[in-house]
This record gives sequence, C-alpha cells and structure tokens, in this order.
Amino acid sequence: KAGVTQTPRYLIKTRGQQVTLSCSPISGHRSVSWYQQTPGQGLQFLFEYFSETQRNKGNFPGRFSGRQFSNSRSEMNVSTLELGDSALYLCASSSRDKGFTEAFFGQGTRLTVV
Amino acid sequence: DAKTTQPPSMDCAEGRAANLPCNHSTISGNEYVYWYRQIHSQGPQYIIHGLKNNETNEMASLIITEDRKSSTLILPHATLRDTAVYYCIVRVVGSARQLTFGSGTQLTVLP
Repeated sequence: KAGVTQTPRYLIKTRGQQVTLSCSPISGHRSVSWYQQTPGQGLQFLFEYFSETQRNKGNFPGRFSGRQFSNSRSEMNVSTLELGDSALYLCASSSRDKGFTEAFFGQGTRLTVV
Repeated sequence: DAKTTQPPSMDCAEGRAANLPCNHSTISGNEYVYWYRQIHSQGPQYIIHGLKNNETNEMASLIITEDRKSSTLILPHATLRDTAVYYCIVRVVGSARQLTFGSGTQLTVLP
C-alpha cells in the first residue's frame, strides 16, 4: 500500500509569509503527527491529530497550526515565517488498530525561509 | 516519557554485527523501548520495539536487560545501506502518540 505522502518536497519562502504543508497518511490510518527537524534542535513534536481533532501539542508558538480533514489528510500552517522556521517538516501516520505502535513517516517537506 | 542515553557515533565493518546500546535507567513498567532510524534526508523508519522480552524481526533484534534499564539493538549483518542515525525511544503504548527523539547514534558502516 502507498506510504505517507508529503507535499511539496521543497519550498522556499520569504520572512513574514505563511506556508501550508500537506500530508496524506497511509490508507486507514487516522492518526497524523507532525515533527520539525533542525540541526540544532533535532526532531521535535509539533502536534497530533486523530479523527479531525488535535489530541496533543508540542511546545511551539501559536504561529504553528494544523488541521485534519475527514479523509484523515492533514495540513500544517506556519504564519509570519521566521528564518528559524527553516527545517525539515515530517509527518507520521499510525493506526489505532495496532495500538499506535508504529509510526510511518513521510519523506518530509524541506522549508527554507530567506 | 523516560529519557534515553546513546553514544553519539559508532562504526561497524560491513558484514559484521552492529550492536547499538541504549540506556534508559528511569524507564517505567508500562513503557516500551522503540528503535527508529533515519537515513540521511529521509523520514525516520520504524525498526522494532519491545517491553521486556527480546524481540526479533526481519530487520533487527532487540535485547532488553532483565532490569529493563538498558537495551541493545543488533543488526546481524550490517550493510552500507544501514548507515543512518539510530534513535532509541521509550514510551507508553496507546497514550499520546508523539515520539520524543533524542540525539541518537550515528552508525557508519565501513566497506
């Protein structure tokens, strides 16, 4: 079956702009989590959605937001971009049927803020 | 989730077993040990997880000490494609689904 799909793969934005990233989870998976990866901070949890509801949130400012649609696809939005938002943004999906034991990650979206 | 400690880097000769250690001395009774790896510029990949018994799958073996304070991931016959950062994570299954990644171990498989 198809894996986790993230679009776009690469993105260049200017400071102050906003950006929307998309994640399509594995078919049947209803849990979608987002992570930010930077050289300095490593992999950090942003938030998790399950059944269109945000279930958990990491320690990020309110400029970072997300949503999940009825088909489990998820988007995350970053407003008023800062240089420090340059990172690899990763999405992971998991299944309640397996107790959320495994998280399957997409290839990520590489965001560069200039 | 309990904190883990891993060596920052390790080398292994191709074809030999790679043994990656992880300390998790504050692990709770209901926390599982998970291993993920991340090959450069790709998303992390699940490898294996366990509670207290040793586990084996097609990718690796996981050995957890009897007191559960440490574990070892074993790649039985390392290949160049196993060069990656390996993360050891402990978490409660079925609770909040986020994974707390540490710094991991950079494993380099040498030809």
